[in-house]
Amino acid sequence: AQKITQTQPGMFVQEKEAVTLDCTYDTSDPSYGLFWYKQPSSGEMIFLIYQGSYDQQNATEGRYSLNFQKARKSANLVISASQLGDSAMYFCAMREVNNAGNMLTFGGGTRLMVKP
Amino acid sequence: GAGVSQSPRYKVAKRGQDVALRCDPISGHVSLFWYQQALGQGPEFLTYFQNEAQLDKSGLPSDRFFAERPEGSVSTLKIQRTQQEDSAVYLCASSLGPRGGLRPQHFGDGTRLSIL
Repeated sequence: AQKITQTQPGMFVQEKEAVTLDCTYDTSDPSYGLFWYKQPSSGEMIFLIYQGSYDQQNATEGRYSLNFQKARKSANLVISASQLGDSAMYFCAMREVNNAGNMLTFGGGTRLMVKP
Repeated sequence: GAGVSQSPRYKVAKRGQDVALRCDPISGHVSLFWYQQALGQGPEFLTYFQNEAQLDKSGLPSDRFFAERPEGSVSTLKIQRTQQEDSAVYLCASSLGPRGGLRPQHFGDGTRLSIL
């Protein structure tokens, strides 16, 4: 079974508008972290935002916020006031505390394209 | 340096050749990870080091893949007798904490490996 599912292969958004990128996850570990990364065409993976499973409030980092719905096992990324430079691949990832390797498990990604 | 450094940035090899990919993590980062990213997909875990100890190599696809981190800093991923299916981007990531931490992983720019 997929641990991280991103159902939107591609998304368009108009510049200056907000956009939501979907992510659902599956784990039986009560302690875990959810991460979003941005990967521009140049290839580097840029950390954006983190949400812990026990965090009471949704995480925010500048124009990025995470809509965390624990019961639904979803962790959607909201980007406000989109900019042309936001065009990139976006990956949702999970890290389970009791996982011995501490690795990140990634979804398949969503390609966001910002229209001028 | 300020970030994770990987070299070479691009590597082209003929099928059957051996290759070595280098990762220089952020100074002081205990944990080091290698991931493989096929075209159009999310990264997949290969192996994990805590200092010089390789604690998890469950993601290595075959015994042709070998990784080391002898002094707990720089790591090398070696692929012997390369095959075309080894063509991918190889990403290295490091994080400050040891096992049990939920700190974000910081990625290098990756090495794009092409096997002819």
